[in-house]
Amino acid sequence: NAGVMQNPRHLVRRRGQEARLRCSPMKGHSHVYWYRQLPEEGLKFMVYLQKENIIDESGMPKERFSAEFPKEGPSILRIQQVVRGDSAAYFCASSPPTGWSYEQYFGPGTRLTVT
Amino acid sequence: QKEVEQNSGPLSVPEGAIASLNCTYSDRGSQSFFWYRQYSGKSPELIMFIYSNGDKEDGRFTAQLNKASQYVSLLIRDSQPSDSATYLCAVVGGSQGNLIFGKGTKLSVKP
Repeated sequence: NAGVMQNPRHLVRRRGQEARLRCSPMKGHSHVYWYRQLPEEGLKFMVYLQKENIIDESGMPKERFSAEFPKEGPSILRIQQVVRGDSAAYFCASSPPTGWSYEQYFGPGTRLTVT
Repeated sequence: QKEVEQNSGPLSVPEGAIASLNCTYSDRGSQSFFWYRQYSGKSPELIMFIYSNGDKEDGRFTAQLNKASQYVSLLIRDSQPSDSATYLCAVVGGSQGNLIFGKGTKLSVKP
């Protein structure tokens, strides 16, 4: 009964490098949400995707951040030219395809440190 | 801008007592409400959800919703030291299902 999987669990990048964070939803789930948690702050929504579609990216910074959820493989959150302010925990959550309940189950997160 | 407010705490209760966690939200149209527990350094874990006014019980946990007052609460009966964590209240932010979280209430259960 695999839950939401994320990798890597910890990622260290130097300023200016690229970070790629991966998320595989729970079995049977087709909706993926990405959230960011800055130190001492709450969880903030970034983007919502279904297979091959970005449904809502209203929480994504306008520059350097992108996300995808291809037909095959995990969802990927990509951060280009990272800066120190990108250091945070990035969580992926998935929800089932039917209904209106919006219950979301979180993965273990990726802790990104920018040096 | 839709908001969710929680008292940051820390809320300290003795073992065996009832812990009461509160949350208010700004959007009167909100329909779905969630409580997550987050241990330090870990990811949020869904513990309760509620959609209808009134109470919903699950084991030691009871969620209470009052839409007229825009208020949702979580009661933890017979609190245990293992319940010590940050409790996050969340509401659905829009038609696409993204969640808006409060900043969380830190609960400490003293043995």
